[in-house]
Amino acid sequence: GIQVEQSPPDLILQEGANSTLRCNFSDSVNNLQWFHQNPWGQLINLFYIPSGTKQNGRLSATTVATERYSLLYISSSQTTDSGVYFCAEANSGNTPLVFGKGTRLSVIA
Amino acid sequence: DAMVIQNPRYQVTQFGKPVTLSCSQTLNHNVMYWYQQKSSQAPKLLFHYYDKDFNNEADTPDNFQSRRPNTSFCFLDIRSPGLGDAAMYLCATSREGGATQYFGPGTRLTVL
Repeated sequence: GIQVEQSPPDLILQEGANSTLRCNFSDSVNNLQWFHQNPWGQLINLFYIPSGTKQNGRLSATTVATERYSLLYISSSQTTDSGVYFCAEANSGNTPLVFGKGTRLSVIA
Repeated sequence: DAMVIQNPRYQVTQFGKPVTLSCSQTLNHNVMYWYQQKSSQAPKLLFHYYDKDFNNEADTPDNFQSRRPNTSFCFLDIRSPGLGDAAMYLCATSREGGATQYFGPGTRLTVL
C-alpha cells in the first residue's frame, strides 16, 4: 500500500522562527492534503495540494509530484501554530487518504 | 457558517455497553467519513459513505457499524465497546471522493 513518511517527527521552535516540514510518499499522487491538529484534537485542513505551490498567510506548501514529496513552510511561527501537522495522500479519487504519522510542533515564547 | 458537528464531544461508556456517536454537516457534501484516532497516532479510516453507498475498510472490526439516514447525518455505532476502543472518533466530509476533507471537532470516547 501507499507509504507516507513525515519528517521531522518532533520540532521545537522559538516564536518568530521559520520551519519546513516534509512529506514523502511512495505512489503517484491524485490527492494530497495538509492538516493541523490543535491541542484539543480538531483537525483543520490547511492545503489541498496534489501539485504546485499555494500560500495562505504565513503558511505555504509545495508538492513536487514527479519526485513524490511535499513541503509545508511555516514562517514567523506563533505559539498558536503548536500541534501536530499531518500530511495525507491518495493515488486516486476513489481511494481513501493515507495519513503520515505527523510532525509534532511546539512553538515556545 | 457551514460546518461539521459531532455530538457528544465526550462520551463515557462501560465495557460492553453499546454507544452511538453522531455527526451532522451543513456543507451538503456527498461523502462522509468516520476515523478512529488513538493517542499519538494518525487518524485511521473506519468507513465512509458516498451518498448512500457504504464502504467499509477491510480491517474495521465488525463491532463498528454506521448509518447514514440522510445527507446531513451519519452515526457510528459501537455494539460492544472494549477497552481498546477508547479513542478520539473523528467525522469528516468532502464534496466528492478525492476532494478536500473537512473534519468535525471529534468525540473522545472513554471505556470503563
